[in-house]
Formats: sequence, structure tokens, C-alpha cells
Amino acid sequence: DIQMTQSPSSLSASVGDRVTITCRASQSSSNYLNWYQHKPGKAPKLLIYAASSLQSWVPSRFSGSGSGTDFTLTISSLQPEDFATYYCQQSYSIPWTFGQGTKVEIK
Amino acid sequence: EVQLVESGGGLVQPGRSLRLSCAASGFTFDDYAMHWVRQAPGKGLEWVSGISWNSNSIGYADSVKGRFTISRDNANNSLYLQMNSLRAEDTALYFCAKALNHLLWFNPMDVWGQGTTVTVSS
Repeated sequence: DIQMTQSPSSLSASVGDRVTITCRASQSSSNYLNWYQHKPGKAPKLLIYAASSLQSWVPSRFSGSGSGTDFTLTISSLQPEDFATYYCQQSYSIPWTFGQGTKVEIK
Repeated sequence: EVQLVESGGGLVQPGRSLRLSCAASGFTFDDYAMHWVRQAPGKGLEWVSGISWNSNSIGYADSVKGRFTISRDNANNSLYLQMNSLRAEDTALYFCAKALNHLLWFNPMDVWGQGTTVTVSS
């Protein structure tokens, strides 16, 4: 199984800050790496797929990069609605696996 | 509007069975692969199982293999998860999710339901 490791596990940031979350796979997942945003009591939402393709609803302050084993989610200017938990997930090899999540909190 | 509504959760004793359902609407159900994902209390997301549009490709997490069975009824726009030999560690919120296209492989899950809660306890 491909193990996904995110860092950090949590972070505190202010509105307007630049935020970077990293995701490392234990073996190559090519570019089959997806990012989800999850708020408490809500359904998770797909943010980015294939490492860097934004879903249509996602604002341009979000971006994704990487390939192989190392990936990054960047929020260029954090907004109040961005406070949530973010998960990476590989869809290259079954079983699909998620990172442990990164909780983004208000400083 | 694309919508997924899960049902069938509840309180069940260890060793017993439960069947979850997911009713899909707002899209052509048999054009898409489907998945189940769960979240245990206070934990992260865990992929459980996935099925291709025609049921020819199916996959399971190691933690449920041999105990859970995924299936779909394209005529009735429904996805199912038969859960047998339930354990305390299966306690979670179970989400139904739609894939980006018909293939099981490589595709993300682009639409999710609100989930149904399964509690395994004596």
C-alpha cells in the first residue's frame, strides 16, 4: 500500500497569510494526487486533482504542484472560509490512501 | 443538482451485519464509478471500497477485505455496502462518493454525500 504523510498536522495562520501543506507518498503515485477540503459536519469537497488541476469552484488562490512522491498545496492568501482540514489522497494504486490531514486554524 | 444520500446506518452489535445504501440523483449514475469512504470519530478519512461503472472492477481497503461487499444497481441509481462481521473499529461516519468518470482507477472523488453513521457496540 502507498502511505501518504502530510505535514504539518496542524497550523495556525492569519487571514492573508500564505499557507503551504506538503504531502509525501511512500512510493510514486505519478501525478494521481488529489486534495480535499473538509469542514466539520459537511461533506468533503474535491479541491485539486491530478496534482495541479483545480475544480471549477475553487478560487485561484489555491494551487497544487508536484509529481512522483512529493506534492504541495498552497493557499496564496488565506481567507476566513479556508479554515478547514485538508487531506491529500492518491488514486494511483488500490487501496486508495489518504494523508492524515492538516487542520488549518485561525491564529 | 448532483446529490448523494446515504442511509442504513445505526447501532449494531459486534459480529452482526448492516447494509448501507446510497441514492444518487442529478447525474447519469451508470456513467461513473462510485466509492465508500469513512471517518472514525476524531480521525481522518479512510477509503473503504470502490466500484467501476459496470461493476467489473472493484477494490477494498485491507481493513475490510473479506467482510465488506460493494455493489451497485444502475437501474435504480443506487450504491450499496454490505458490512458483515462488524467490529468496534468499523464505527465511523460512512460517506458515499462519486468518481470523476466511469473508471475505478486514477480518478478522484468529486461529489460526496453527507454520510451515515455506523456504531458497532455491545
